[in-house]
Amino acid sequence: QKEVEQDPGPLSVPEGAIVSLNCTYSNSAFQYFMWYRQYSRKGPELLMYTYSSGNKEDGRFTAQVDKSSKYISLFIRDSQPSDSATYLCAMSAGNQFYFGTGTSLTVIP
Amino acid sequence: EADIYQTPRYLVIGTGKKITLECSQTMGHDKMYWYQQDPGMELHLIHYSYGVNSTEKGDLSSESTVSRIRTEHFPLTLESARPSHTSQYLCASRDTGAGELFFGEGSRLTVL
Repeated sequence: QKEVEQDPGPLSVPEGAIVSLNCTYSNSAFQYFMWYRQYSRKGPELLMYTYSSGNKEDGRFTAQVDKSSKYISLFIRDSQPSDSATYLCAMSAGNQFYFGTGTSLTVIP
Repeated sequence: EADIYQTPRYLVIGTGKKITLECSQTMGHDKMYWYQQDPGMELHLIHYSYGVNSTEKGDLSSESTVSRIRTEHFPLTLESARPSHTSQYLCASRDTGAGELFFGEGSRLTVL
């Protein structure tokens, strides 16, 4: 069983839509949760970082962590064509990191 | 914003060649990592370092080596490249006590 599961998509939405991206995990020891955005032929860019459970908001982006369900989400409000990218979830306990396989998102103008 | 740099960004070489992928960060982070990324797959850890003169092997380390002589520099060397090494290689770093991991832009390697 993989440590982190992420639906690969692809996901296609119209401009202005609310996007919900999700990951589930199996290791209850994970304490740090991250979301990365990766454009084609670029490295992952850290979007959101959350410690333990709860919500965190940054502009159009909201990250949610539900440790009881082992489930994390990233919401993108008012999605823009520039949000078209692959989104990776990541989590860690200690010094090792575990990544989802990424969800490919396309926002159609 | 992360200041982590990888060179070369793109490299095409022949089988059997020795290559070194460079990674430097200017943030003074103690911990550095090398990952391999293939399309549709999760990132695989190749090597990591917790500080100068400290290196550890990850899942895919058997065909490569790293060194950490300076805090800011963490090069990855393939002694004899093979077509199976064709992939994107990502360098990352984080500060001790912090949870976030920052990535470089990646080095895309093609072995013919």
